[in-house]
Amino acid sequence: GQQVMQIPQYQHVQEGEDFTTYCNSSTTLSNIQWYKQRPGGHPVFLIQLVKSGEVKKQKRLTFQFGEAKKNSSLHITATQTTDVGTYFCAGQRGGSNYKLTFGKGTLLTVNP
Amino acid sequence: DAGVTQSPTHLIKTRGQQVTLRCSPKSGHDTVSWYQQALGQGPQFIFQYYEEEERQRGNFPDRFSGHQFPNYSSELNVNALLLGDSALYLCASSLRGRTEAFFGQGTRLTVV
Repeated sequence: GQQVMQIPQYQHVQEGEDFTTYCNSSTTLSNIQWYKQRPGGHPVFLIQLVKSGEVKKQKRLTFQFGEAKKNSSLHITATQTTDVGTYFCAGQRGGSNYKLTFGKGTLLTVNP
Repeated sequence: DAGVTQSPTHLIKTRGQQVTLRCSPKSGHDTVSWYQQALGQGPQFIFQYYEEEERQRGNFPDRFSGHQFPNYSSELNVNALLLGDSALYLCASSLRGRTEAFFGQGTRLTVV
C-alpha cells in the first residue's frame, strides 16, 4: 500500500537556525498537506500543495511540492520557540481515494 | 464558530470491553474521518463517513465500526478492546470536494 516517509525523525536547533523536513511518497499524489501538532495537542492544518513544482510561503515557512508529485519539503527560516512541535506531511492519492496517509512526523525542538 | 469537538477527552477501559467515541464536525462540514494515533506515530486512517455512509476504510479490523448521523456528527465504536487499541483517536472534518482536514482535540483511550 501507499507509504509516506518523512525525515528526519527528530531535529533540535538553536533559536534562529533554519529547519527543513522532507517527505517522500511511494506513489504519485494528487495533493500533499502539512500539519503541525504541538506536544499534547492535535494536528493543525498548515497548507495544501496541489500542483507539480508548487512553492508556497507562509511568513517564515516555505513549502515545496516536487515535480513528480511524490515528494515535498517544509523549510522554516530563523526558528523561534513557538515553532516547537511535530510536523507531519500527509499525502492523498485522489480520485476515489479520500484518505490522508501521514508520515511519522519530524519533532522539532528549539533551544532559546 | 465551533471547531471539531470530540467527547470524551480521556477514557480508561478494560480489555474486552466496548467503547463509543463521539465527534461533532466543524460548522458547515459534512464529511468526517477517524484516525488512530499511537504515541510517536502519525495518524492512521480508520474510515471516512459521508452522507451517513462509510465511504472508505483503512486497514482496521471489523471491531472498528462507525456511524454518521443526519446532522453530520459521527461515532466510532470499538468492540472487544485490546491493549494495542490504546491511542489518541482523532476525528477530522472536511467539506465535500475539499481535501483539507480539520482535527478535533482527540480522545485519549487507555485499555488496561
